[in-house]
Amino acid sequence: QSVLTQPPSVSEAPRQRVTISCSGSSSNIGNNAVNWYQQLPGKAPKLLIYYDDLLPSGVSDRFSGSKSGTSASLAISGLQSEDEADYYCAAWDDRLNGWVFGGGTKLTVL
Amino acid sequence: EVQLVQSGAEVKKPGESLKISCKGSGYSFTSYWIGWVRQMPGKGLEWMGIIYPGDSDTRYSPSFQGQVTISADKSISTAYLQWSSLKASDTAMYYCVRHLGIVGATDPFDYWGQGTLVTVSS
Repeated sequence: QSVLTQPPSVSEAPRQRVTISCSGSSSNIGNNAVNWYQQLPGKAPKLLIYYDDLLPSGVSDRFSGSKSGTSASLAISGLQSEDEADYYCAAWDDRLNGWVFGGGTKLTVL
Repeated sequence: EVQLVQSGAEVKKPGESLKISCKGSGYSFTSYWIGWVRQMPGKGLEWMGIIYPGDSDTRYSPSFQGQVTISADKSISTAYLQWSSLKASDTAMYYCVRHLGIVGATDPFDYWGQGTLVTVSS
């Protein structure tokens, strides 16, 4: 069981908007930044959002991140078929003194 | 261009030892934390531990402490993950990651290696 909680799957139609939630606690999300990673099928993960809401260079602005208290969200607007992937949230955990991940959310674009 | 290039896939028997590698290039290898992440077949990501090649400061996830050893050779810009006695449950893809380098070990992973598939089977 993962320390951070994500829905196992989400689905939405092309050109629509979808959000993926990530729930944690005061020792991780509540006190540290959240990062999101995208893992396309058969590929290594890639940094998608860092420090809660920043986009790395080259990442589409269709992706956005937010955080409130001990929860965070990833939003993807204007869904495209190429967005089909697994998405993971991650945060440093002060109590465990290490990184914790969510279990991952599989996005299906209908 | 920053690159992390990992060693190739391995097939081992239970009880055997193994050391896989991750070579960094395109940046100052000694100035960035390097970590390892496990992904078991069909499962999610698990953080294993990290090392700072500049001074070999190493930290482990409690789940992996004593099960693996993380090391680095800064003379050849390479980090390692090793097992002394593999188990079937070690079968997984292993990724090395570089930390962003702003604060330290709590920085996000900005670059990932391509992964090394380790299969342990009798």
